[in-house]
Amino acid sequence: DGGITQSPKYLFRKEGQNVTLSCEQNLNHDAMYWYRQDPGQGLRLIYYSQIVNDFQKGDIAEGYSVSREKKESFPLTVTSAQKNPTAFYLCASSISDSSNSPLHFGNGTRLTVT
Amino acid sequence: AQKVTQAQTEISVVEKEDVTLDCVYETRDTTYYLFWYKQPPSGELVFLIRRNSFDEQNEISGRYSWNFQKSTSSFNFTITASQVVDSAVYFCALSEIYNFNKFYFGSGTKLNVKP
Repeated sequence: DGGITQSPKYLFRKEGQNVTLSCEQNLNHDAMYWYRQDPGQGLRLIYYSQIVNDFQKGDIAEGYSVSREKKESFPLTVTSAQKNPTAFYLCASSISDSSNSPLHFGNGTRLTVT
Repeated sequence: AQKVTQAQTEISVVEKEDVTLDCVYETRDTTYYLFWYKQPPSGELVFLIRRNSFDEQNEISGRYSWNFQKSTSSFNFTITASQVVDSAVYFCALSEIYNFNKFYFGSGTKLNVKP
């Protein structure tokens, strides 16, 4: 079955450590996205990528980095520069970079930094 | 300014009651798309419906129905005869044609359906 796989489901890190969240899709989608979800705040866009080797900052990119070396993969690194990294992170993809394509989401990774 | 507003933070109903989730949006584009997503406790957002700005017809899918009114910039979602499995957080989202990589999400409405 096609879909988006995020791993791990839960992640714990010490403050000051970088951590990378995995996102893989087998939907053959061109566009991929990373969102952050905090309680009561909906989803906020961190980074998005329309094609391989290209990505753009979203609304809250500071303290995060991404890469898009393969169409299927869009890993997100939460760096030590991110002041409040504890959150639920959702990866998404869409069939094309047009406004009418719905997003398909993974199951999310809950990151806790202490 | 917030593009999508879901004023209802949390709603609790008893099974079989009807419930309406409100969504109000703001955009200057004449062409845009509105979406509803469901987020069950498992965490994954599930796409429910897409509506473009030129189609104001209401839509019904089983127990779900959507009321799109451009005059009030609203895209409300009604669940008829709610069931416990409907318990989830529901998000409304907006996509604008000239800024299509940005989906503006509302803050979500948590629906609790009690048996």
